[in-house]
Amino acid sequence: DGGITQSPKYLFRKEGQNVTLSCEQNLNHDAMYWYRQDPGQGLRLIYYSQIVNDFQKGDIAEGYSVSREKKESFPLTVTSAQKNPTAFYLCASIGNRDGKYEQYFGPGTRLTVT
Amino acid sequence: QKEVEQDPGPLSVPEGAIVSLNCTYSNSAFQYFMWYRQYSRKGPELLMYTYSSGNKEDGRFTAQVDKSSKYISLFIRDSQPSDSATYLCAMSAYAGGTSYGKLTFGQGTILTVHP
Repeated sequence: DGGITQSPKYLFRKEGQNVTLSCEQNLNHDAMYWYRQDPGQGLRLIYYSQIVNDFQKGDIAEGYSVSREKKESFPLTVTSAQKNPTAFYLCASIGNRDGKYEQYFGPGTRLTVT
Repeated sequence: QKEVEQDPGPLSVPEGAIVSLNCTYSNSAFQYFMWYRQYSRKGPELLMYTYSSGNKEDGRFTAQVDKSSKYISLFIRDSQPSDSATYLCAMSAYAGGTSYGKLTFGQGTILTVHP
């Protein structure tokens, strides 16, 4: 995973509950991303952040919130307003090492809401 | 119309075959073109990236970008059963510096290489 971790690996929640997914990186990467993956739909961007204390909505931000208080951390909260929260959530980071573009994904969190 | 289109397959080939995976796109601003491999229930792994047009080779893998046709390809030579995975293309308008912008992904192609 190249220094980017997500926890937990599996998460089960009841409908109506908010849940927060963790993403941490020790790569000193500036940019961090949250994607959602559903069968047959590829990866869809939820939120991204290019610098601490700043973030932008992706293509499917409704029902989600994020924060970027530290460079290493980019937690995602799935709120009760998200209509179809069950999915595989992937965190990614991008940076530059010795002038070379570098990008890694975390191992993912599989969220099931019943 | 999606910004990035990728044939989801599935694609099934015998061991040793040459595999061709393709994506088309509509956004002329895309400058970085990536290919990822994703095994079941794992995060995607960056295989190769190419900046602007041209070819890039890494072992059995060759990535090609044709910006005039808005078409990218990944070729896998001498395919192995261990290559069986979902392959995703992704693109970015990143043009340098620390403002990396968004990565836009294709749907992914499911590849099975059978012995």
